[in-house]
Amino acid sequence: DAGVIQSPRHEVTEMGQEVTLRCKPISGHDYLFWYRQTMMRGLELLIYFNNNVPIDDSGMPEDRFSAKMPNASFSTLKIQPSEPRDSAVYFCASSPGQAFGGYTFGSGTRLTVV
Amino acid sequence: GIQVEQSPPDLILQEGANSTLRCNFSDSVNNLQWFHQNPWGQLINLFYIPSGTKQNGRLSATTVATERYSLLYISSSQTTDSGVYFCAVEADGTASKLTFGTGTRLQVTL
Repeated sequence: DAGVIQSPRHEVTEMGQEVTLRCKPISGHDYLFWYRQTMMRGLELLIYFNNNVPIDDSGMPEDRFSAKMPNASFSTLKIQPSEPRDSAVYFCASSPGQAFGGYTFGSGTRLTVV
Repeated sequence: GIQVEQSPPDLILQEGANSTLRCNFSDSVNNLQWFHQNPWGQLINLFYIPSGTKQNGRLSATTVATERYSLLYISSSQTTDSGVYFCAVEADGTASKLTFGTGTRLQVTL
C-alpha cells in the first residue's frame, strides 16, 4: 500500500480564496482523521470519520472549515474563505480502528495564506 | 479532556548515548501511540502500545496503564533519531480519537 496520500504538498493562497485539501486513506482503514499542526497549538484534531460518517467535528475552528468523505477512498477539507491565521500544516491520518493498530499519517499539506 | 504531558521538552544527546522519554496522562486510556516527527515534518508511528512492553530495533516502549505513564527508550542514538517525539492517547469513551502531547524535541549530535 502507498500509505496515506495527501495533496497538494504545499499551497500558497491569498486571503479570501477557497482552499481544498485532499486525502486518500489506506485501503481497509475505517477511520480517517484531519489534524492541524502549528507552533502555538501543536497537533489539534479537527474532525474524524468512521466508515465515511463524520463522528466528531468539535475541533473544526469555525464555519469556514468543512470536511467531507464521499467514499472510503477519498476525503476533502475545505476552507472558505481562507485567512492568514489558517496557515499551518494539515495532516490526514487513517487507522484500522481501536485495538487493531495505530495511525498512519500522510505527509501533510503546508498551507500559507497571505 | 485528558491531559498528556511529556518530559523532557528538549534533549540533546551525543551519538551513541541512551535516553528515556516520558509520557504522563491524566485519565484512563484505551490506546497509546508514540510517533516520531522527523526534521522534514513527516510523522512516523513508532509503537501502538496501550499496555506492556514492545521493542523495535534500538527503540523500545513500556506503558503502565494503571499508573498512567509510558516510557520510550532510545539506545545507541544516531543523528537520524533527531526530531520530535510525540505521545498520543485515546481516552476512554473517545472512540479512536487521539490527543497528542506537546512532544520532546531530540537533537543527536556527532
